[in-house]
Amino acid sequence: EADIYQTPRYLVIGTGKKITLECSQTMGHDKMYWYQQDPGMELHLIHYSYGVNSTEKGDLSSESTVSRIRTEHFPLTLESARPSHTSQYLCASLPPGGADTQYFGPGTRLTVL
Amino acid sequence: KNQVEQSPQSLIILEGKNCTLQCNYTVSPFSNLRWYKQDTGRGPVSLTIMTFSENTKSNGRYTATLDADTKQSSLHITASQLSDSASYICVVSDRGSTLGRLYFGRGTQLTVWP
Repeated sequence: EADIYQTPRYLVIGTGKKITLECSQTMGHDKMYWYQQDPGMELHLIHYSYGVNSTEKGDLSSESTVSRIRTEHFPLTLESARPSHTSQYLCASLPPGGADTQYFGPGTRLTVL
Repeated sequence: KNQVEQSPQSLIILEGKNCTLQCNYTVSPFSNLRWYKQDTGRGPVSLTIMTFSENTKSNGRYTATLDADTKQSSLHITASQLSDSASYICVVSDRGSTLGRLYFGRGTQLTVWP
């Protein structure tokens, strides 16, 4: 079982609120990822990081931002949440070597009213 | 256009029966193919991973096959259990990407009835 954690697991908030989704891993992995997944749809990469102070946007345009100040921590922030942000957000990390499997957190189910 | 297509979209089987899920991909260059199991409201968990040279790989009641020539993979589940109810996602990685770039299918939603 991979040691990657996400909080909160579920979040219901009103439009315009600022939120931060937390992701932490204790495996010392340099590469970390954020995915967005709507019901019945594939995962879409929205952000990734090669390591501390490295962040890049993924394939799917997202109004969210990320930071990587510490290896183990990769939070995602929405400055002003909107109903279109309602989705499941999954965090993952990758062991060194590139060919290994990404380990996923349990996800955060976000609902913006 | 999604480069990983899975079929069927959903499947219902009775407990104890076998089933096979399909995955076709167009990702190139190919590095490896993974099958993940995703329980409702949870993150995906890896079942198998296969590289170009591997044709089959088993993990308990799960057996994955890969035909790199036709770019097809299947996941066979034997003697299904109620706990097998989940979404099964095919994920393909492209070679030469230090990012570990993954292409996800939309998954097959499997429901096992008692």
